[in-house]
Amino acid sequence: AQKITQTQPGMFVQEKEAVTLDCTYDTSDPSYGLFWYKQPSSGEMIFLIYQGSYDQQNATEGRYSLNFQKARKSANLVISASQLGDSAMYFCAMREAYNFNKFYFGSGTKLNVKP
Amino acid sequence: DAGVTQSPTHLIKTRGQQVTLRCSPKSGHDTVSWYQQALGQGPQFIFQYYEEEERQRGNFPDRFSGHQFPNYSSELNVNALLLGDSALYLCASSPFPNSLGGSANTIYFGEGSWLTVV
Repeated sequence: AQKITQTQPGMFVQEKEAVTLDCTYDTSDPSYGLFWYKQPSSGEMIFLIYQGSYDQQNATEGRYSLNFQKARKSANLVISASQLGDSAMYFCAMREAYNFNKFYFGSGTKLNVKP
Repeated sequence: DAGVTQSPTHLIKTRGQQVTLRCSPKSGHDTVSWYQQALGQGPQFIFQYYEEEERQRGNFPDRFSGHQFPNYSSELNVNALLLGDSALYLCASSPFPNSLGGSANTIYFGEGSWLTVV
């Protein structure tokens, strides 16, 4: 079974608007971490935000927030006030507590910000 | 402080050839993982090295092998290259152990090596 599912291959958003990128995950480990990475065309994976499975509050990092719904096993990324520089691939990833150096990645969402 | 550095950045190989990719981890990191990212897909875990030994392996054939040196740098070797090996190969480094409750971004990725097999 897929560990991470991203169902939006591509998304468009108008500059300055908010956008939500979807991510669902599957694990039986009660302790896990969820991550979002941005990958520009250069290839580097840029860390955006992290949510631990036991965290009570949704994570926020500047314009990024993670909408964590544990019962639904979803970890959607919300980008507020989109900027042209946000255009990139976005990957949701998970690692489990017993295997903390192994990441499972989704297939990614290509975000295009329109001026 | 240099982050994770990988070399070469781009290379082209012929089917059947062998390739070696190199990775220098971020200073202070002793664990190196390798990922393969095919075009249009997310990265897939190949294997992880710690204390010069392969500690974990993903679903990749034996044609994929690696090595870690005493200075923690690492190599990824791929033998008998296939067209399907064309991908971006990412190296990630972290300290070991890396507590899940610790700093979330203590794993760092390099910019990758783009391999094209023709």
